[in-house]
Amino acid sequence: GDSVTQMEGPVTLSEEAFLTINCTYTATGYPSLFWYVQYPGEGLQLLLKATKADDKGSNKGFEATYRKETTSFHLEKGSVQVSDSAVYFCALSGIDGNKLVFGAGTILRVKS
Amino acid sequence: GAVVSQHPSWVICKSGTSVKIECRSLDFQATTMFWYRQFPKQSLMLMATSNEGSKATYEQGVEKDKFLINHASLTLSTLTVTSAHPEDSSFYICSARVRTTGSYEQYFGPGTRLTVT
Repeated sequence: GDSVTQMEGPVTLSEEAFLTINCTYTATGYPSLFWYVQYPGEGLQLLLKATKADDKGSNKGFEATYRKETTSFHLEKGSVQVSDSAVYFCALSGIDGNKLVFGAGTILRVKS
Repeated sequence: GAVVSQHPSWVICKSGTSVKIECRSLDFQATTMFWYRQFPKQSLMLMATSNEGSKATYEQGVEKDKFLINHASLTLSTLTVTSAHPEDSSFYICSARVRTTGSYEQYFGPGTRLTVT
């Protein structure tokens, strides 16, 4: 079945450092790919998405590119802030959008 | 737009009682909503898909008689945990599916923390 693998955390960075959180997937067909963020005590918020190969999703300084050849959707940000501290989930869904398959989540801690 | 609310945000109940959690799409209609369960420091596990006007579809291993789902309108789905036990304590999150250009997106509620004593 479909699956998503994320790098384990926690990831601890200093403010203004570069961030990469790796995400790879296994799926039949051509899924849509998502990054969600969960701040402490809150539900998930869609951070960015990409629906086809070579698409780049971007939002709030975060970017991820849909790489079909490597089945990856790595999340990057050039300069993190303390307010970016949260749990980040990579996810995929099929064409029918009926199910989201989540990775395990990666905790990001940014120190000032 | 695309705001999803949940009520209550947290609830404590005694073992053996039932608890109802509401999920509402506030500014849009959703024919399909989803219910997830999240254990501490873990990912979300899909419990069931809730379709307006029809029976919910449960994932393998989820007891449909224990977790009753009702999707009575295009803006409301409810999850009732019947005869709750301490092992049902968890963070329950709902989402509503929205059709976008070329794909679907899910918008999530803020979650409900259930503690069974």
